[in-house]
Amino acid sequence: GQQVMQIPQYQHVQEGEDFTTYCNSSTTLSNIQWYKQRPGGHPVFLIQLVKSGEVKKQKRLTFQFGEAKKNSSLHITATQTTDVGTYFCAFRNAGNMLTFGGGTRLMVKP
Amino acid sequence: NAGVTQTPKFRVLKTGQSMTLLCAQDMNHEYMYWYRQDPGMGLRLIHYSVGEGTTAKGEVPDGYNVSRLKKQNFLLGLESAAPSQTSVYFCASRPTGSYEQYFGPGTRLTVT
Repeated sequence: GQQVMQIPQYQHVQEGEDFTTYCNSSTTLSNIQWYKQRPGGHPVFLIQLVKSGEVKKQKRLTFQFGEAKKNSSLHITATQTTDVGTYFCAFRNAGNMLTFGGGTRLMVKP
Repeated sequence: NAGVTQTPKFRVLKTGQSMTLLCAQDMNHEYMYWYRQDPGMGLRLIHYSVGEGTTAKGEVPDGYNVSRLKKQNFLLGLESAAPSQTSVYFCASRPTGSYEQYFGPGTRLTVT
């Protein structure tokens, strides 16, 4: 079935540096969602993208959906220690089930 | 408004024992889901429900059963626990017409 791969698996950054995680699929996706999970916490919904080439911003976070709808990215500008956690992409299939990528774990050094 | 709650928070089982995990939501959501999360991995869907009295299999249903007798509750059962079922289990719910899933705090289960 359809899957999404996330890279990198881990990323260490110095506070203030930018961070980007990528989500890639071999097939066209109808949508992509992003979730954040703090250490020891539960996933929290951030956003959903559905349109080709769509770009959405939430403060320092910028989300993109590729033109071919086969990839997506989450970019954080000027990371803060509060950004620490694992970021997951996921897509919703025709049966409304979510399939998650493996996640990118972000660690921020103060 | 408690959102999605899960009971218990932690549990240790011996191989072959059975247990039931309870998920409750007070948001009147139609859809409910059970996921498992293994170290360093994303979440995988075990079973889900699109409404009271209905259940369906997800990606990894083997070894688990579920029931949704009341709209607000979704139970996940392990009839004969195995070490491979050691994981963190998350429940989620969402309302009809929305794509956003709301997750519970999780249950950390260890099977020895």
